[in-house]
Amino acid sequence: KAGVTQTPRYLIKTRGQQVTLSCSPISGHRSVSWYQQTPGQGLQFLFEYFSETQRNKGNFPGRFSGRQFSNSRSEMNVSTLELGDSALYLCASSLTGTPTYGYTFGSGTRLTVV
Amino acid sequence: GENVEQHPSTLSVQEGDSAVIKCTYSDSASNYFPWYKQELGKRPQLIIDIRSNVGEKKDQRIAVTLNKTAKHFSLHITETQPEDSAVYFCAASGRDDKIIFGKGTRLHILP
Repeated sequence: KAGVTQTPRYLIKTRGQQVTLSCSPISGHRSVSWYQQTPGQGLQFLFEYFSETQRNKGNFPGRFSGRQFSNSRSEMNVSTLELGDSALYLCASSLTGTPTYGYTFGSGTRLTVV
Repeated sequence: GENVEQHPSTLSVQEGDSAVIKCTYSDSASNYFPWYKQELGKRPQLIIDIRSNVGEKKDQRIAVTLNKTAKHFSLHITETQPEDSAVYFCAASGRDDKIIFGKGTRLHILP
């Protein structure tokens, strides 16, 4: 079965612009979580969506937002980009809202803000 | 909220020796502790996990131990091989079901 698909793989944006990243979970998975990965900071939790509802949110500013569609695909949006937003953005899907079966991660979108 | 501390940040071991990575968590309600391995340029992948009703779990050369009282859990890799070189992340999940990760340990296996 297809894995978790993230698009695009690479993105270069200018400060002040906005960006939308996409994540298609494994078929049948209803939960999608988003993480920001930067050197030295590890994987920082952004938010989690389950059945089109945001269930959890991390400690990121309101410039970071997301949504989930009825087919479980999720998008993440970052507005007014800052240089510090440059990172690898990973999404992870799980079968249920409870992560006790582990996550399956996508390959990520590498965002560079210049 | 949950906070996960991971040590060391970098670890170098001779091939064939054992490696131990330690984590602590803050939320006593956490009940699920997965470990992920991320090879260079690749996605993190689940390698082993443990639930709070179990003290130890083994899978071939990998084992994880959990001390709920001390809120510690550790990853043990025995007979290390070159392919074990990677970044390892511990994580904890609790009452709100979100998974919080440690900052990672870069493991180098020396020939």
